[in-house]
Amino acid sequence: DSGVTQTPKHLITATGQRVTLRCSPRSGDLSVYWYQQSLDQGLQFLIQYYNGEERAKGNILERFSAQQFPDLHSELNLSSLELGDSALYFCASSVTGQDPYNEQFFGPGTRLTVL
Amino acid sequence: DAKTTQPPSMDCAEGRAANLPCNHSTISGNEYVYWYRQIHSQGPQYIIHGLKNNETNEMASLIITEDRKSSTLILPHATLRDTAVYYCIVFSGNTPLVFGKGTRLSVIA
Repeated sequence: DSGVTQTPKHLITATGQRVTLRCSPRSGDLSVYWYQQSLDQGLQFLIQYYNGEERAKGNILERFSAQQFPDLHSELNLSSLELGDSALYFCASSVTGQDPYNEQFFGPGTRLTVL
Repeated sequence: DAKTTQPPSMDCAEGRAANLPCNHSTISGNEYVYWYRQIHSQGPQYIIHGLKNNETNEMASLIITEDRKSSTLILPHATLRDTAVYYCIVFSGNTPLVFGKGTRLSVIA
């Protein structure tokens, strides 16, 4: 158990819909990361937040957005869903998010299926 | 793009040491070598990391060559539960973790 929690575990929805994935970081961690893992793309970094502010952006689509709240939990919003958005979505957290010696701890993931 | 090169797959007999190699010939002086593994579709699990010196923890040992261009992750007594995809990543902290394709380790009874 990494200490990072994600809800829901599974999500099945239809094309065109909008969903929200939630992540609670480990106690004391200020930085949250979101990753997407699909069969053909592997693990891809989407976005990072540090203490409520966006810190880094990866290959995140404009239809996707995220935020980190004052209690440090984070939500990833996916809208206008397409079949290709079906994937595992992982959240990770780390103490600071800038130091190379602080490892990231990953949650169990949310499996999104778009029908 | 990942800055590391790993063999796509390896086998290891249960109870023996598993030695997983990684090449990172373009590593910069401020970049650490990190190892993660992913068992089936679970979240990646942190294993170990190092800068220059060899490192050991309860899970594994990390051997980094003197020129830092390659490293080896050692699982001293592999068990069936160590079957996973192992990712070697170079990381400076200023860029996100970049996962390549990793090495699929199969531990065989």
